[in-house]
Amino acid sequence: NAGVTQTPKFQVLKTGQSMTLQCAQDMNHNSMYWYRQDPGMGLRLIYYSASEGTTDKGEVPNGYNVSRLNKREFSLRLESAAPSQTSVYFCASSEGSVETQYFGPGTRLLVL
Amino acid sequence: GENVEQHPSTLSVQEGDSAVIKCTYSDSASNYFPWYKQELGKRPQLIIDIRSNVGEKKDQRIAVTLNKTAKHFSLHITETQPEDSAVYFCAARLSNNNDMRFGAGTRLTVKP
Repeated sequence: NAGVTQTPKFQVLKTGQSMTLQCAQDMNHNSMYWYRQDPGMGLRLIYYSASEGTTDKGEVPNGYNVSRLNKREFSLRLESAAPSQTSVYFCASSEGSVETQYFGPGTRLLVL
Repeated sequence: GENVEQHPSTLSVQEGDSAVIKCTYSDSASNYFPWYKQELGKRPQLIIDIRSNVGEKKDQRIAVTLNKTAKHFSLHITETQPEDSAVYFCAARLSNNNDMRFGAGTRLTVKP
């Protein structure tokens, strides 16, 4: 039981490049989330998926897109990376909206 | 927009003392309040949570209190130990969706 996994662990991009961050969970959870964590600002929700087939914007969705590929997988795409998107990205999942969120190990992204 | 404020940003205590971290939230209909602990370079992990129909919850040395009228909730750690040293985040789930808002975090240092 791996819990929540994320790939890659670390990525360097140039401004304007695109990439997709992958997330998968093996806990049969309904809800999945993408957060970014910047120094001194805690975690900010980018997008979430309450259930398979649905996605909604969080607090900071601009510059990102998501896909809930199936119940296990939730990907985050940066179409044209900007230095302001340099951050640590965490994926999380939970059984329901008022249940414990389990976080993945994070992806450290540097945009030059 | 809806937000969560957390105080203090840093807290240093002597081993064996108690530590208290306080959060306030703006969405009066928020109904779920988790607390996460994050060690350096690691993922956030839930340590305790409380729902809006409960005023207090305890788990060994950790307790959380909720005052819905005043819109604030607090984390209490008793008999602190060096391994309690970490960054602690409070969060509040907004009432109308899965959107979770986090505080900026408190860096707790427990001195032996």
